[in-house]
Amino acid sequence: GEDVEQSLFLSVREGDSSVINCTYTDSSSTYLYWYKQEPGAGLQLLTYIFSNMDMKQDQRLTVLLNKKDKHLSLRIADTQTGDSAIYFCAESPNNAGNMLTFGGGTRLMVKP
Amino acid sequence: GAVVSQHPSWVICKSGTSVKIECRSLDFQATTMFWYRQFPKQSLMLMATSNEGSKATYEQGVEKDKFLINHASLTLSTLTVTSAHPEDSSFYICSASNYRGETQYFGPGTRLLVL
Repeated sequence: GEDVEQSLFLSVREGDSSVINCTYTDSSSTYLYWYKQEPGAGLQLLTYIFSNMDMKQDQRLTVLLNKKDKHLSLRIADTQTGDSAIYFCAESPNNAGNMLTFGGGTRLMVKP
Repeated sequence: GAVVSQHPSWVICKSGTSVKIECRSLDFQATTMFWYRQFPKQSLMLMATSNEGSKATYEQGVEKDKFLINHASLTLSTLTVTSAHPEDSSFYICSASNYRGETQYFGPGTRLLVL
């Protein structure tokens, strides 16, 4: 089956850039997502990218996709303490949004 | 837009009781709703998928008689944990997608503690 892997933890200083990495195994992954989960809360969709794109930028967020290596990354520029959360990447083989496979989540800690 | 709410946000109950969790799409019609379970420091595990007016489809290993799901309307799905036990304590998250199914919108989650 599909497998999505993420590193468990990342610590950065406020103002630095954060890069959260994700690898996946399903070649048919069409849509790749990044979600943010703050403590005790549900998931907030941050951004997503289609598999025919290499990069997508949305304000402080930059998503890079290397389809050949099945590697996805989320870069957060000028990281703030409010960015501290767990970040999940997820993939879907179709655009129906109804078959999401989540990674284990990366806990981002931003130090002042 | 695309707001999903859950009620209650947290619940504590005694072992053996049943607990109902509601998931509502507030500003769109949710043709499909999903129920996830999340253990501490772990990822989300899909429990079941429900389409309005039909029976839920459960993931392998999830007991359908234990976790009753009802999706009676386009804006409401309920998850009932029957005869809850301490091992059912977890964070339950629902999500919903509209007829276009472009993405899932997540609720804020319900934390269940069974004593």
